[in-house]
Amino acid sequence: AQSVTQPDIHITVSEGASLELRCNYSYGATPYLFWYVQSPGQGLQLLLKYFSGDTLVQGIKGFEAEFKRSQSSFNLRKPSVHWSDAAEYFCAVGATGTYKYIFGTGTRLKVLA
Amino acid sequence: NAGVTQTPKFRILKIGQSMTLQCTQDMNHNYMYWYRQDPGMGLKLIYYSVGAGITDKGEVPNGYNVSRSTTEDFPLRLELAAPSQTSVYFCASSSGLSGRASNEQFFGPGTRLTVL
Repeated sequence: AQSVTQPDIHITVSEGASLELRCNYSYGATPYLFWYVQSPGQGLQLLLKYFSGDTLVQGIKGFEAEFKRSQSSFNLRKPSVHWSDAAEYFCAVGATGTYKYIFGTGTRLKVLA
Repeated sequence: NAGVTQTPKFRILKIGQSMTLQCTQDMNHNYMYWYRQDPGMGLKLIYYSVGAGITDKGEVPNGYNVSRSTTEDFPLRLELAAPSQTSVYFCASSSGLSGRASNEQFFGPGTRLTVL
């Protein structure tokens, strides 16, 4: 069965520091991988997605993610975090052969001034 | 474009009451979804639809019903509200143009439901 694991429930970083949020997945075939961000009281917004090709994907707001097939990972990174990045981040997989998406449990990011 | 809209934003129900959560999208998307979000649990799929007249169950369909009479609308019905249905509900849509679960989902702002 396809699944997504986000091992970190909470992460705290200082403003200006680098960030890496982890995502591990299991899948049966070609993965469709997504990162979404949810600000407090809001719906989810797409940061970036990976279907194929270049394994380093650029997204909005200065985020990037790297697909590593050998490690079944799709970690999200940002070189320098801004206070406005404080939010909850979700990794998701498009379930192969279906119309469904599977979401991780999310990582809540806190940014210290 | 308004994108995906949901009403109401907040609602308090008593046990046993019923209600309909409304969801409308103006992007002409074929695929629509209902999720519930509970703290620390991520998003769980309740029901989804791949087009008008076609719906299917997700992971947690018990206690809910849906219909899809038009491309734009995908209402979620709670018939006999229970405290376990206290949650935040999100509606989402995607185009499906690139095939199945490979497209970005667009989310509504959510409905916060409390059942007492």
